[in-house]
Amino acid sequence: GQQVMQIPQYQHVQEGEDFTTYCNSSTTLSNIQWYKQRPGGHPVFLIQLVKSGEVKKQKRLTFQFGEAKKNSSLHITATQTTDVGTYFCAGLQGSGNTGKLIFGQGTTLQVKP
Amino acid sequence: EAGVAQSPRYKIIEKRQSVAFWCNPISGHATLYWYQQILGQGPKLLIQFQNNGVVDDSQLPKDRFSAERLKGVDSTLKIQPAKLEDSAVYLCASSLSWGMGQFFGPGTRLTVL
Repeated sequence: GQQVMQIPQYQHVQEGEDFTTYCNSSTTLSNIQWYKQRPGGHPVFLIQLVKSGEVKKQKRLTFQFGEAKKNSSLHITATQTTDVGTYFCAGLQGSGNTGKLIFGQGTTLQVKP
Repeated sequence: EAGVAQSPRYKIIEKRQSVAFWCNPISGHATLYWYQQILGQGPKLLIQFQNNGVVDDSQLPKDRFSAERLKGVDSTLKIQPAKLEDSAVYLCASSLSWGMGQFFGPGTRLTVL
């Protein structure tokens, strides 16, 4: 079936260290979206990537979309305790109104102060 | 701008009982989604509406789950009868149009005893 795999499942880092999570789809994606969910909270939309090879930055966060539009990554530079949470990638599979957003399992980030 | 509203926030029922959840999306958002999120997993799409029409309900257990979006605004999700494995957080999300970033409500945490 349609799957979006995300690794690692968990990551513990010391504050100030970098962090990367990777996302892979079994099929080509129309776009990839990234969400952050704080403990006890709901997913919050971060960004959407649409073009092959696209790179976008939000302060210390860098998002990439692979050339084949099947993989993506989120890199956080110099983590802070406020970065704690679970980061989900979500791939939009299909086109027109018949596609759906498939979420990965998420990467839970813990940051030690 | 008001966010996505959901109620109730918490619900505890016994198996075989019925339950209903309500969602009010962001004003002007044409697309509305219901997700089920089990602890430690990513959100799983149950049903997707475009205005008041169903676009995708392929993962909705139709023998017990039903959803409607009358007048293309508010939506309700019903489970009848509930099973133990339905214990999860039910998230409602909306987006301006299909394929765009989604804005999630706070969710309803359902416990089935």
